[in-house]
Amino acid sequence: DTGVSQDPRHKITKRGQNVTFRCDPISEHNRLYWYRQTLGQGPEFLTYFQNEAQLEKSRLLSDRFSAERPKGSFSTLEIQRTEQGDSAMYLCASVGGYDEQFFGPGTRLTVL
Amino acid sequence: AQSVSQHNHHVILSEAASLELGCNYSYGGTVNLFWYVQYPGQHLQLLLKYFSGDPLVKGIKGFEAEFIKSKFSFNLRKPSVQWSDTAEYFCAVNARDDKIIFGKGTRLHILP
Repeated sequence: DTGVSQDPRHKITKRGQNVTFRCDPISEHNRLYWYRQTLGQGPEFLTYFQNEAQLEKSRLLSDRFSAERPKGSFSTLEIQRTEQGDSAMYLCASVGGYDEQFFGPGTRLTVL
Repeated sequence: AQSVSQHNHHVILSEAASLELGCNYSYGGTVNLFWYVQYPGQHLQLLLKYFSGDPLVKGIKGFEAEFIKSKFSFNLRKPSVQWSDTAEYFCAVNARDDKIIFGKGTRLHILP
C-alpha cells in the first residue's frame, strides 16, 4: 500500500455516459499526476497538478476529459460522453519533494 | 521530447537464470531514472530509482540497475530469478519536477 487511494477500483459504463474518478494522494504531497494505461502499454501521462493548479495537460486529454484538484488535496478526473476507446486503467500518482511518484491502485474503466 | 525504449517485450527464463532487461532513453538534460514492476493483478511498485551519485543502483528483491550516461541506458539486472519475479517491468524517466515517461514494458515469465 503506497498511501494513495483511488475510487472506484472498477467502473463499467455504457457508451455516452459520464464517469468521475477520485484520487486521494499522500497528504503532504503537493504534486499529483494522472496517467492512463492500456493493455500492453506503459502508463501515459494525462495531466498534472501542483497544489490546486493544473500545470500541464497531454494532447491525449480531449475536451471530454476534465480534471480538478480543489484545495490542493484530492483530485477528480471526469470523462464526459465516454467512448469505447476510453476503456483503460486510470492511474494517479502522488509526488513529494524528492520526485518519487507513488502510484495508487488505479481505476479500471470499461466502456460497453 | 523525452522517450523511453525497452528492447524486449516478452522474456521467458527458467528459475535461477540471470536477467538483464534493456532500457534506453532519449533526453539531453539531467534525468531521474526508474524501474517499476507490476505483478499480476497488482498496481505499479517502484523497484529502484536513480537520481544522482553511484550509477549502480540496488533495489528491492535483489534487483539492480546501472546508469550508463554515455549510452543513455539504465538496464535492469538480477543474478538469479525466481518464479515470483513473473511480472511486467517498466523503465521510466523524468526530467526534474516533470512528468514520468514510461517505456512500453517487458513482460517477464519465469518457468518453475
